[in-house]
Amino acid sequence: DPKIIQKPKYLVAVTGSEKILICEQYLGHNAMYWYRQSAKKPLEFMFSYSYQKLMDNQTASSRFQPQSSKKNHLDLQITALKPDDSATYFCASSTREWPSAETLYFGSGTRLTVL
Amino acid sequence: GDSVTQTEGLVTLTEGLPVMLNCTYQTAYSTFLFWYVQHLNEAPKLLLKSSTDNKRTEHQGFHATLHKSSSSFHLQKSSAQLSDSALYYCAPMPNYNVLYFGSGTKLTVEP
Repeated sequence: DPKIIQKPKYLVAVTGSEKILICEQYLGHNAMYWYRQSAKKPLEFMFSYSYQKLMDNQTASSRFQPQSSKKNHLDLQITALKPDDSATYFCASSTREWPSAETLYFGSGTRLTVL
Repeated sequence: GDSVTQTEGLVTLTEGLPVMLNCTYQTAYSTFLFWYVQHLNEAPKLLLKSSTDNKRTEHQGFHATLHKSSSSFHLQKSSAQLSDSALYYCAPMPNYNVLYFGSGTKLTVEP
């Protein structure tokens, strides 16, 4: 059974619309992340959360907003969608136990296509 | 990102030949080094990791040695298999916060 669930697996949206990408992890991890992968850029870090608090944000645009309603949830809201937002969005988690080399565990991704 | 440099683009090998994918990183990003592998239409997953200088790390037939003197963490395998075809990412972790991935190297192993 997958331990990191991302929904939906595929998503098609029109330019200007808003979508929410869902991520839930059942690994008992305290840290969660969003990464983006497109043809133009390989695995690109977007956000990191630890204990439901934003730790790092490398996304320039405020159109991308992570939302953590529970410790094991980290959704990604994207507003005013553009065709350049088309990519596969990966959610990941890690133990966040100090000190340790934090292995990231990735979900299977949501492939977003913006028309 | 700019913190790491990998073998560029695409590497094509014949099955049975040795694999070597290069990875060098900026010194400031040398706390931990990772190799992740991503097979087609799958999620990335950890292949190797190391934080110890000059110690060989092995997993699933692959190995790498962190050399802080040369800021390198090259990935090697003695004999490539068809199933090794995938995208390989070298990733340094400068602190206990964010993992930055290199540009990735696509390895294709042919019969």
